[in-house]
Amino acid sequence: QQQVKQSPQSLIVQKGGISIINCAYENTAFDYFPWYQQFPGKGPALLIAIRPDVSEKKEGRFTISFNKSAKQFSLHIMDSQPGDSATYFCAASKLAGKLIFGQGTELSVKP
Amino acid sequence: DVKVTQSSRYLVKRTGEKVFLECVQDMDHENMFWYRQDPGLGLRLIYFSYDVKMKEKGDIPEGYSVSREKKERFSLILESASTNQTSMYLCASRTGTWNQPQHFGDGTRLSIL
Repeated sequence: QQQVKQSPQSLIVQKGGISIINCAYENTAFDYFPWYQQFPGKGPALLIAIRPDVSEKKEGRFTISFNKSAKQFSLHIMDSQPGDSATYFCAASKLAGKLIFGQGTELSVKP
Repeated sequence: DVKVTQSSRYLVKRTGEKVFLECVQDMDHENMFWYRQDPGLGLRLIYFSYDVKMKEKGDIPEGYSVSREKKERFSLILESASTNQTSMYLCASRTGTWNQPQHFGDGTRLSIL
């Protein structure tokens, strides 16, 4: 039972472009929505996170947009750079609950 | 910086063997987790632990067990390894505060032949 669905599975973007990764969830009790970034050969690391009381959170070139009514949230990477090439995972959890991860998106930013 | 260390980067074992994967964290974190990562399936939680000697099943515990005798160490045990357990295994730790980040090790690539 996949509670968090992530798309696309892979994404190729030109340097300077905008990368957009989408996630949809089913459980309305989810209260915390982080994004993790994983470089090849490394474990995932927290990139940015949002709570459902706000519709957007921005940290540098990375923005989470959150649509509670649609049960969707997305990661936008502005001015994408080759160093952003990595696998990105969205996740969701209930308060104090375990994280449920999406399937992952492999991003490649071409120079 | 938090350091989560997994004992092996690559491991090759045979079907039926008992396999131990070890994980150590250096930040006195209360919570520790074991995930497996498979292409197209993301990260799936196998087991987690909120405290020493405490454990709870995750989403895919079948064929696995865990041990946490000391706060800093969390072991994953494959009781009788099977080929469908070939995967990347990731350990993570976190403070007891639920919205704090999980800190991951770099993973153990396990192959069961």
